[in-house]
Amino acid sequence: DTGVSQDPRHKITKRGQNVTFRCDPISEHNRLYWYRQTLGQGPEFLTYFQNEAQLEKSRLLSDRFSAERPKGSFSTLEIQRTEQGDSAMYLCASSVTLTYNEQFFGPGTRLTVL
Amino acid sequence: AQSVAQPEDQVNVAEGNPLTVKCTYSVSGNPYLFWYVQYPNRGLQFLLKYITGDNLVKGSYGFEAEFNKSQTSFHLKKPSALVSDSALYFCAGDLTDTDKLIFGTGTRLQVFP
Repeated sequence: DTGVSQDPRHKITKRGQNVTFRCDPISEHNRLYWYRQTLGQGPEFLTYFQNEAQLEKSRLLSDRFSAERPKGSFSTLEIQRTEQGDSAMYLCASSVTLTYNEQFFGPGTRLTVL
Repeated sequence: AQSVAQPEDQVNVAEGNPLTVKCTYSVSGNPYLFWYVQYPNRGLQFLLKYITGDNLVKGSYGFEAEFNKSQTSFHLKKPSALVSDSALYFCAGDLTDTDKLIFGTGTRLQVFP
């Protein structure tokens, strides 16, 4: 399967712990996006990369959140000092550069903060 | 503020009947609009998109959508529903040409045999 992959699929952690998620985009896609989806809501944009450059961050992305894409391939999203409100599905998507190209989504990482 | 709205939380339709899932948007310029479907334990799957041109867009699995600028709508349609179409459907828009997708809250489609 050459789609977008995310690891882990599920993460349970205690409040205050740090967690890191990984996303591997489709290989020829140079844009990579992170979204967060809570129950009953549509995904909300967090941040995106063009190759290794982080082009935009949502104000939803507090200082406890950081994302990297060091070599323009896979990306990591780290949440420090997790809070119960961080519990959500974290989705990664990738696309080719042109604005109006559709984004292809991975299966998501479900985070539960106890 | 730019937004995408899906006014129906759930749509129920009998198999073989036509289906419509509604979406409206609010933006000052010209939007790029998308429909995605989400099955349980699976990621969002792209169905179709409107960029420009013909207002009737055809997509995967027999779905189509009609862009109506005057009504700021982008309703998803299918002439004959299948039980396997039952899923959660999301309308999304790139409303400011910034590559950020703004999603609606989703509509659960239930197709009954």
